[in-house]
Amino acid sequence: QVQPVQSGAEVKKPGASVKLSCEASGDTFTTFYVHWMRQVPGQGLDWMGMINPLNGETSYAQRLQGRVTMTRDSSTSTVTMELSRLTSEDTAVYYCARGYGFLDFWGLGTLVTVSS
Amino acid sequence: DIVLTQSPATLSVSPGDTATLSCRASQNVRSNLAWYQQKPGQPPRLLIYGASTRATAIPGRFSGSGSGTEFTLTISSLQSEDFALYHCQQYSSWPQFTFGQGTKLEIK
Repeated sequence: QVQPVQSGAEVKKPGASVKLSCEASGDTFTTFYVHWMRQVPGQGLDWMGMINPLNGETSYAQRLQGRVTMTRDSSTSTVTMELSRLTSEDTAVYYCARGYGFLDFWGLGTLVTVSS
Repeated sequence: DIVLTQSPATLSVSPGDTATLSCRASQNVRSNLAWYQQKPGQPPRLLIYGASTRATAIPGRFSGSGSGTEFTLTISSLQSEDFALYHCQQYSSWPQFTFGQGTKLEIK
């Protein structure tokens, strides 16, 4: 099972935070970075950041600095992405994927809806 | 950030014909460019990396070319399953990556 397994859909109110998980197989967790992207349906992909599961080193898209946090749990081969201070513009499908640069295996995505 | 501009936004082509999709980078990304195909309700699928190398199990009718700032994805002998949304992505500016806004390939 190389495809990452993502957590289920979320509905949040504006101003809240959301935490999404991405479970990766052992090979992915020890060999590749895990990236997070989001997509408003029918539109382009928005790269949010990445984490090295081996050492927890992260890099975030500059426009999301201060709002996004990525962590990893080696015991469960799981990467978590938390996005805070949500607005309606954060409504999207969120994907995790593995890779150094290009991304060869993607999760199925998690729909996050932000609505009052 | 490096900006990727895909053109056209929508491309209408007949089955059996050839589709040519463009991706232009605002800075030199060398050959660090990938292409993805995405169908409704599915995650993106890697087609091309290194600007011209096909990923595993990708049919030969998909080809990528270019380097620097100008890139092209060519799909020959279009099949019904090829009509989808296509994305380009640069991974030259490690550790900051960007995607283009996508090109929708539709049946003419």
